[in-house]
Amino acid sequence: AQSVAQPEDQVNVAEGNPLTVKCTYSVSGNPYLFWYVQYPNRGLQFLLKYITGDNLVKGSYGFEAEFNKSQTSFHLKKPSALVSDSALYFCAVRGPTSGTYKYIFGTGTRLKVLA
Amino acid sequence: DSGVTQTPKHLITATGQRVTLRCSPRSGDLSVYWYQQSLDQGLQFLIQYYNGEERAKGNILERFSAQQFPDLHSELNLSSLELGDSALYFCASSAGVSTAEDTQYFGPGTRLTVL
Repeated sequence: AQSVAQPEDQVNVAEGNPLTVKCTYSVSGNPYLFWYVQYPNRGLQFLLKYITGDNLVKGSYGFEAEFNKSQTSFHLKKPSALVSDSALYFCAVRGPTSGTYKYIFGTGTRLKVLA
Repeated sequence: DSGVTQTPKHLITATGQRVTLRCSPRSGDLSVYWYQQSLDQGLQFLIQYYNGEERAKGNILERFSAQQFPDLHSELNLSSLELGDSALYFCASSAGVSTAEDTQYFGPGTRLTVL
């Protein structure tokens, strides 16, 4: 069965510092991995995805994510955090299971960037 | 703005009632997905439609049903409402259904409150 874990409920980081939001996954076969961000009272916004190719994926708003197959991880990173990055971040996985293309979402990690 | 629209934004109703949530996908997208986001259950996939036909089912209760119309908009019907149905309901759309890397784009959600 596919699953994804976000081990941290909340991450605090000072503005200007690098940030990492962790995600690990479990899927048979090659994974398709996604990151979304949710601002208060808003829907989920797509940030980036890993399908194949380079392990470092660049996305929107300066975010990037590193795919690590041996550690089954897909951590979200940003070199310099902004206060406006404060939001709820979701990792999602889709496996190559025929017939079902639903996302399995993690529980979310709340990022707080402190001024 | 993702291009996915949902109406209404807010809905307040009583237990036992029936409501309909509406979603219009991005222009050209054939797949529509429904998700429920609640504090205790997180983000849960409910159901997916592709070009008018049901494609995948998740944790959708029998009291809930959905359909996708010829113009590709979708409706989620919730009946015999219970207090526990209070949640944010998101619609997402994607271009197709045949590839697992298909990115889903989310609408702003409908907040349902059952009193």
